[in-house]
This record gives sequence, structure tokens and C-alpha cells, in this order.
Amino acid sequence: QVQLQESGPGLLKPSETLSLTCTVSGGSISSYYWGWIRQPPGKGLEWIGYIYYSGSTSYNPSLKSRVTTSVDTSKNQFSLKLSSVTAADTAVYYCARHSYDSKSGYNWFDPWGQGTLVTVSS
Amino acid sequence: DIQMTQSPSSLSASVGDRVTITCRASQSMTSYLNWYQQKPGKAPKLLIYAASSLQSGVPSRFSGGGSGTDFTLTISSLQPEDFATYYCQQSYSTPRTFGQGTKVEIK
Repeated sequence: QVQLQESGPGLLKPSETLSLTCTVSGGSISSYYWGWIRQPPGKGLEWIGYIYYSGSTSYNPSLKSRVTTSVDTSKNQFSLKLSSVTAADTAVYYCARHSYDSKSGYNWFDPWGQGTLVTVSS
Repeated sequence: DIQMTQSPSSLSASVGDRVTITCRASQSMTSYLNWYQQKPGKAPKLLIYAASSLQSGVPSRFSGGGSGTDFTLTISSLQPEDFATYYCQQSYSTPRTFGQGTKVEIK
């Protein structure tokens, strides 16, 4: 079965750029959308955006000016960059497959990576 | 953005109880609604997609219903492993948005 694993630095200083990679195993990254979701400690879930394996993207308008995503099909990986981080960006960051039913248009997040905590502190 | 509002925010229930969680959307979205379960320290897990379709491997005591703006997640007989936080999520438009969560605790 498909498994996802996030990796990247766990501690950043304000104004730095957050960089995370999600490695997909047990299946190909091709023909799917891949997403990022975050969860501040003790709070709810916030959708960051998604990228199609071909490179097309969609981002949350609240973060769009600071977010960049990319995909590397040769490595079966996709990545997230979030610039100019502040303490408000402290959260567990999850990657997930954004599955679509092409006939109905219904879509959902499954599976998810285990998540990685990114803390922004001076 | 579509706002998702869950109720209640938390509830206490006993093993064997029937539990229903409600999710209301700020605009109609037919059946573009998913439900997730999250346990402490773990990633969310998909339970229900397209409002009422049970994800493979999820016990049949979980069921989803509703359409338009009002949706429900029902656990027919609460089991010890069901104590968790549950989130609804709309998949109708971007940005995708989640409800604030409903924490199901042991009574």
C-alpha cells in the first residue's frame, strides 16, 4: 500500500524558509494530486495546497504569496516551501495523497504521512 | 471560502452508545463532504468520503449522511478505539476547509 513520509528541519528562526519533502513509497507519484495540510499544536487542520504530478498547483489564498510546491517524479517525491515564517507557522505539517474520482469529481485526502512538527522560534 | 461548523465541539459517551456528529456548510455542496478520525499524536484517517461512502477497511458501525449543507457522522455502537477527534472537510471548492473538530471522550 502507498505510504508517505515527511522530512525536513524541525526548528526554524523567524523569516527563514520552511522546506519539507514528502517521499511516496509503495506506489507511483504519477497520475495523482498530492497535498499539504498543517495543524498548529492543539488546533484544527488547515489546507495549504496541492500539486499534480505534472506540476499544476492550487494553494490556499491565505498562504499563496509564501507557498511554493514542486514534484520530482524520478524520486517519487514532492516538496513544500513556505517563506518568511513566523511563530504562527509552528505546526505539524502533513503530506497526503489528494485522491479524485474522475467520474464524479469527489475527492479526499488518503493516505496521510505521519506528520512532522516544525517549530518557529528565535 | 466555505465555512464548516461542527457540533458539538466535544461530547462524552459510553461504550455501546450511538453517537451522532453534525457538520454544517456555509453554502450548498451536494455530497462533497469527507470525515476523518484523528487520535492523539497521529495523522487523520479517512473514514467517509462523498458524504456516505465508507472507506475500505473502516468498520461498518461508522456511517455518513446528508447533502447540501447539512451532514452527519454516526457511530452506531461506540467502541473503546473510537475515542478520538473527528473532522469534516469539504471537497467542493478551494480552499479546501475543515470543521473545527469534535472530540469524543469517555463518559
